[in-house]
Amino acid sequence: KAGVTQTPRYLIKTRGQQVTLSCSPISGHRSVSWYQQTPGQGLQFLFEYFSETQRNKGNFPGRFSGRQFSNSRSEMNVSTLELGDSALYLCASSLTGQGAYEQYFGPGTRLTVT
Amino acid sequence: DAKTTQPPSMDCAEGRAANLPCNHSTISGNEYVYWYRQIHSQGPQYIIHGLKNNETNEMASLIITEDRKSSTLILPHATLRDTAVYYCIVRPEFGSGNTGKLIFGQGTTLQVKP
Repeated sequence: KAGVTQTPRYLIKTRGQQVTLSCSPISGHRSVSWYQQTPGQGLQFLFEYFSETQRNKGNFPGRFSGRQFSNSRSEMNVSTLELGDSALYLCASSLTGQGAYEQYFGPGTRLTVT
Repeated sequence: DAKTTQPPSMDCAEGRAANLPCNHSTISGNEYVYWYRQIHSQGPQYIIHGLKNNETNEMASLIITEDRKSSTLILPHATLRDTAVYYCIVRPEFGSGNTGKLIFGQGTTLQVKP
């Protein structure tokens, strides 16, 4: 079974621009979560989607948004990029996101904002 | 905030058992203990989880104390490829505020040496 895939793997953007990252979950998984990893803050939860609905949200500004499609693929968008948004963005999938579940992570998208 | 405490770093000789401790003294009755690891610049990898009984899989063993206030992840025969940051996470089985969400602490950096 194919793992979680994320595209693109690397991205360089300029301050003020916007960016869209994509995540394809493991086949059959309906829950997709997004995380941001920086050296200073570590791994932080952004949001989770299930059945095309945002079900949980972390403590990030409204510039960070996401969506999920009917095939469970998910995208996250960051508008008006700031230098501090430079990070590794990880998505993870699980069957339902509830119960004693295991979450499987993709390789991440490395975003650099200049 | 993470509900676990782990030593920041540990060393282990190749071929020996690596025993990684985790303190979770405020764990609740319905909270599971999960272990993930992250090899440099990759997405975290699920290792194992448990509620109160000891668990074993092909990767590792998880020993949870009877009072559930601490646990130990055991890698029976560490190899150089086991060098990674290991995260101990507690999360409830149910609860709308926790769907699809893992709260990562700083983890333990395990260095396996030849």
